[in-house]
Amino acid sequence: NAGVTQTPKFQVLKTGQSMTLQCAQDMNHEYMSWYRQDPGMGLRLIHYSVGAGITDQGEVPNGYNVSRSTTEDFPLRLLSAAPSQTSVYFCASRSSGNTIYFGEGSWLTVV
Amino acid sequence: TQLLEQSPQFLSIQEGENLTVYCNSSSVFSSLQWYRQEPGEGPVLLVTVVTGGEVKKLKRLTFQFGDARKDSSLHITAAQTGDTGLYLCAGAGGNTGKLIFGQGTTLQVKP
Repeated sequence: NAGVTQTPKFQVLKTGQSMTLQCAQDMNHEYMSWYRQDPGMGLRLIHYSVGAGITDQGEVPNGYNVSRSTTEDFPLRLLSAAPSQTSVYFCASRSSGNTIYFGEGSWLTVV
Repeated sequence: TQLLEQSPQFLSIQEGENLTVYCNSSSVFSSLQWYRQEPGEGPVLLVTVVTGGEVKKLKRLTFQFGDARKDSSLHITAAQTGDTGLYLCAGAGGNTGKLIFGQGTTLQVKP
């Protein structure tokens, strides 16, 4: 089973560049979310979606956009990368039983 | 804003010792989850507690949800080197069911 698939695994960006982190899940989960993980700060919610066509902001949404055109896909866009966005990003989906499934993470460095 | 405080943030012990990790908040959560994360991977769910005062056991791991559903603890008996990792608590609350994560506890079990 594929579960939650994130790409790319590693990315280096220059300040000001834009990019999209892809996320796909094959479990037909309605709820999907993006987190960033920084040392000593746990996982912080960036954006989430409760279903196709519906998105909402989490704790740290500035500098990121999301869309949810299908149940399966939930891409995260960095509009103009900044060094403060250097982090590990995790996409997650949640089952109806409230179990969260995380992707393997995307390591992003902004120089 | 709902916050979860985890303590300690770092723990280094010898194999065979017992330990307890705490997760505290001033907010009430409808459920609380514990995750374990290995380097280079996403968090993996260990347990979900829902009822105030609930105790769940997973082999040598004992999880407890506070009576008021504001705090939780994870107790590991006779720690093994394989228990090494980052332990995260996460609380779900509100209508959206968003998960709020604690900062994490890095556990190192030495042989």
